[in-house]
Amino acid sequence: NAGVMQNPRHLVRRRGQEARLRCSPMKGHSHVYWYRQLPEEGLKFMVYLQKENIIDESGMPKERFSAEFPKEGPSILRIQQVVRGDSAAYFCASSPITETEAFFGQGTRLTVV
Amino acid sequence: ELKVEQNPLFLSMQEGKNYTIYCNYSTTSDRLYWYRQDPGKSLESLFVLLSNGAVKQEGRLMASLDTKARLSTLHITAAVHDLSATYFCAVESGRSQGNLIFGKGTKLSVKP
Repeated sequence: NAGVMQNPRHLVRRRGQEARLRCSPMKGHSHVYWYRQLPEEGLKFMVYLQKENIIDESGMPKERFSAEFPKEGPSILRIQQVVRGDSAAYFCASSPITETEAFFGQGTRLTVV
Repeated sequence: ELKVEQNPLFLSMQEGKNYTIYCNYSTTSDRLYWYRQDPGKSLESLFVLLSNGAVKQEGRLMASLDTKARLSTLHITAAVHDLSATYFCAVESGRSQGNLIFGKGTKLSVKP
């Protein structure tokens, strides 16, 4: 049973470009969470999704950021018109329906130049 | 707003010594989590503490939870170099499951 898979592991974007981060949850997990970690900081919750539904997006910036978890395929975190302040590690976690403990992926390290 | 504070933020220890990391949080929460993160890596779940007085141990690490004091501790016994990492505590925000509030982390360095 593979763990939570994120890709790419590293992503470099120029200011103004779009960044797409993918997350495939563990097999049997239907809940996905995205977190952002700035250097030397703890993780900050962004969004909680179930298949085709956004459950809690209280941590998502109001503009430029969006997330989806379609019926088929991975969850996508999309950042439009990236700025330098978006440079961070973005972690995805997943959990099954019956448990709240989440398992984290390896993260995508986004660098905006 | 729920806040989670860890201290110390940096800890340099010698091998063989004992130390405790503290995690205070500002409001009631049903669960508290401890994670370990190695540089450039993901978070590894260490402990999930579910109730007042809960104590869990794994190797040289022991975690406890006092919900009345809103305090959790992570105790390190006879530290070894392999324990060098950053340790985070996190509590559920209450907004939704998986919406965790993390502390800033304690960066532990164990020196021979």
